[in-house]
Amino acid sequence: SAVISQKPSRDICQRGTSLTIQCQVDSQVTMMFWYRQQPGQSLTLIATANQGSEATYESGFVIDKFPISRPNLTFSTLTVSNMSPEDSSIYLCSYGTSVYNEQFFGPGTRLTVL
Amino acid sequence: KQEVTQIPAALSVPEGENLVLNCSFTDSAIYNLQWFRQDPGKGLTSLLLIQSSQREQTSGRLNASLDKSSGRSTLYIAASQPGDSATYLCAAGAGSYQLTFGKGTKLSVIP
Repeated sequence: SAVISQKPSRDICQRGTSLTIQCQVDSQVTMMFWYRQQPGQSLTLIATANQGSEATYESGFVIDKFPISRPNLTFSTLTVSNMSPEDSSIYLCSYGTSVYNEQFFGPGTRLTVL
Repeated sequence: KQEVTQIPAALSVPEGENLVLNCSFTDSAIYNLQWFRQDPGKGLTSLLLIQSSQREQTSGRLNASLDKSSGRSTLYIAASQPGDSATYLCAAGAGSYQLTFGKGTKLSVIP
């Protein structure tokens, strides 16, 4: 499987600011996804990052709050905008393979908003 | 809407014991079922994927089974080791790559 990395691994941010998280895969992949894991909770899909078009957002998530870029088949970014303490979570990116739709995840970005 | 439940939420066993983690899902029309491991504050490591047409998959000391009709999957860990301590997540996959996750079982293996 391809190696997937995220930057930053963690950050502490002030309320009202924005943070952009980067996700890099070491080979071209068609499907990339962004998830949020709130403290003590399981993973929730934020959006599917589509190369060359706008991301597809899940119910409860909007582009103004979580803008996503996908400039090519190996890279995506997620921005958490106008942050509040409720945005404190682990954010994970993943990619999907065409082999049985298996997904592989990055190491995550632990975000704390003060 | 698919819902995934994992029981127990936490499990503590002595080293060397065999154990079973349970996962249940409400919609049997799944495409696949994936088991992941998550270490504290880290990302997910894929352990096993079972296609909807399969009954089980094995990797080393791990064996995952799937019973679609009853909406259940189990992860069997043989001869547990302290390094197996982690949270184990199951996720039911739809055909569109959509994954619905359970909240996980936190496993502690005591030396």
